[in-house]
Amino acid sequence: RKEVEQDPGPFNVPEGATVAFNCTYSNSASQSFFWYRQDCRKEPKLLMSVYSSGNEDGRFTAQLNRASQYISLLIRDSKLSDSATYLCVVNLGNTDKLIFGTGTRLQVFP
Amino acid sequence: GAVVSQHPSWVICKSGTSVKIECRSLDFQATTMFWYRQFPKQSLMLMATSNEGSKATYEQGVEKDKFLINHASLTLSTLTVTSAHPEDSSFYICSARVRLSGGALGETQYFGPGTRLLVL
Repeated sequence: RKEVEQDPGPFNVPEGATVAFNCTYSNSASQSFFWYRQDCRKEPKLLMSVYSSGNEDGRFTAQLNRASQYISLLIRDSKLSDSATYLCVVNLGNTDKLIFGTGTRLQVFP
Repeated sequence: GAVVSQHPSWVICKSGTSVKIECRSLDFQATTMFWYRQFPKQSLMLMATSNEGSKATYEQGVEKDKFLINHASLTLSTLTVTSAHPEDSSFYICSARVRLSGGALGETQYFGPGTRLLVL
């Protein structure tokens, strides 16, 4: 079983749509969780950290369910510029290493 | 935010050539840097953790004699792909985390723009 699993997509949605991505992780000792965005042929960029209480940044909402080892990202009012690959990333608490999921591809169309 | 640069951004070389990739933290000191590799349509895979002034820690399955890492200063880590072969063609990305005053690493990992290596 992969350490971090994501649906690879692609998710093709119209502008203005709401879309949700899910991610599961296998190591219950994981302590930090993130969503990164990666554009084609570019480096990943931090979108937001994910906390147990849930957190929101504008149109983006992230949720963490430790009991189910599940992380989600909700994007409201999708923009064309949201088209990218969204990477679920987990930090094991006893190391400095980040474990990346394979990413979920989002394509927003006009 | 913190800036990490990589050089070169593109490398095309013949099989058997050694290629050196530089990763620099431009506005902060990075005692720890990370080297990743990403093949098309796959996730970033951590290759090794580079520690300033000491030997790098390699992930399982990564040949340390093939991927030489040197972290001789607080702002520079280098990855040398020795005797590169076509299967080494990939996107190599470095990252760095800021060391906080208490000694722990800050959570945010700052990525370089990556180096695309194509071995013919």
